Amino acid sequence: NAGVTQTPKFQVLKTGQSMTLQCAQDMNHNSMYWYRQDPGMGLRLIYYSASEGTTDKGEVPNGYNVSRLNKREFSLRLESAAPSQTSVYFCASSGQSDTEAFFGQGTRLTVV
Amino acid sequence: AQSVTQLDSQVPVFEEAPVELRCNYSSSVSVYLFWYVQYPNQGLQLLLKYLSGSTLVESINGFEAEFNKSQTSFHLRKPSVHISDTAEYFCAVSGNTGFQKLVFGTGTRLLVSP
Repeated sequence: NAGVTQTPKFQVLKTGQSMTLQCAQDMNHNSMYWYRQDPGMGLRLIYYSASEGTTDKGEVPNGYNVSRLNKREFSLRLESAAPSQTSVYFCASSGQSDTEAFFGQGTRLTVV
Repeated sequence: AQSVTQLDSQVPVFEEAPVELRCNYSSSVSVYLFWYVQYPNQGLQLLLKYLSGSTLVESINGFEAEFNKSQTSFHLRKPSVHISDTAEYFCAVSGNTGFQKLVFGTGTRLLVSP
């Protein structure tokens, strides 16, 4: 089973460039999330989608936008990348019963 | 809202020694609690979880955690660690009604030496 698939795995951007991180899950989960992981700060929630058709801001939404394209896909867009957005980004999904989250392998993004 | 505190950023231990990774949470509602493990250059994997019932929960690879409501803690323990347990461990909490977001601690890096 594929689970949660993120693309790309690595990316280097120049300051001011834009890009979209893609995420897809095949577990028929209602909820999807984007986190960023930085040393010493754990995982911080950027945006989440509780169900298809809804999105909400998490703890650190500034500089990002999201789209819940359908039940399977949840993308994260950086409109104008900044060095402070250098991080590892994780997509996750969860079902309705107990909020256990399943994670993708991550995207390592460097903004220079 | 919920929050999680993992006071130890790094725990060095020798192989076959016992280990405890501490986790304290705060919440105004009843909670679900989770421990996730992250091996180098990988995503997070669920290690164990507390939803309800017995306050002692176990994983398949020898870890256990005990939910202590009065102390708002969910410490992770293993009586004898292996080199392969070297990883980063994250404690997480969510409310247990309706849709609830997972809130993570800052992580504890477990370093097992021979």
